Amino acid sequence: AQKVTQAQTEISVVEKEDVTLDCVYETRDTTYYLFWYKQPPSGELVFLIRRNSFDEQNEISGRYSWNFQKSTSSFNFTITASQVVDSAVYFCALSERNSGNTPLVFGKGTRLSVIA
Amino acid sequence: DAGVIQSPRHEVTEMGQEVTLRCKPISGHDYLFWYRQTMMRGLELLIYFNNNVPIDDSGMPEDRFSAKMPNASFSTLKIQPSEPRDSAVYFCASSFELQETQYFGPGTRLLVL
Repeated sequence: AQKVTQAQTEISVVEKEDVTLDCVYETRDTTYYLFWYKQPPSGELVFLIRRNSFDEQNEISGRYSWNFQKSTSSFNFTITASQVVDSAVYFCALSERNSGNTPLVFGKGTRLSVIA
Repeated sequence: DAGVIQSPRHEVTEMGQEVTLRCKPISGHDYLFWYRQTMMRGLELLIYFNNNVPIDDSGMPEDRFSAKMPNASFSTLKIQPSEPRDSAVYFCASSFELQETQYFGPGTRLLVL
């Protein structure tokens, strides 16, 4: 069964610190997709990244970077030089290609607070 | 593109009343999803449609909940009668394919008194 675990419930950092949000997933499928979404205090869910299981290259987008490691079933998200505007709940999610189950399974989320 | 549109953004109603939430997906997206988010249960998938046809409604909590998609650009989620435990944020999302990225609307914050 597909499952996503975000063990960190809440993280608090001081502005300009780097922070890594952990995501561990479980799947029996060989083809799957991993996602990160951001939910700022305003409440909307904002898509950040989608990764397929055959692409293990790390991705960098500005201050954001993602480390995908199939060997440890992890898809971690790092924010470099954090800013107050990064304060949000971040969700990791998994979609299996051949799933007869839920199309997209979310983790419980990690609440990040960046303090000025 | 305008993104996924939901209305109303906020709804306050009394127990027993009927509530209708509305969603307009992104044009060209064949899949539409309804989610509910609460502190206790997180994000839950309620139902999803493919080309206006309901595919999986196993997440719909009770018979009080119903969803329709009369055409490719409109869907409704109805709760009748509403109860205080239905208070939550309801999100609509759409995607081009089932495993493609789901884009979420701004959500409807429902409070049932």
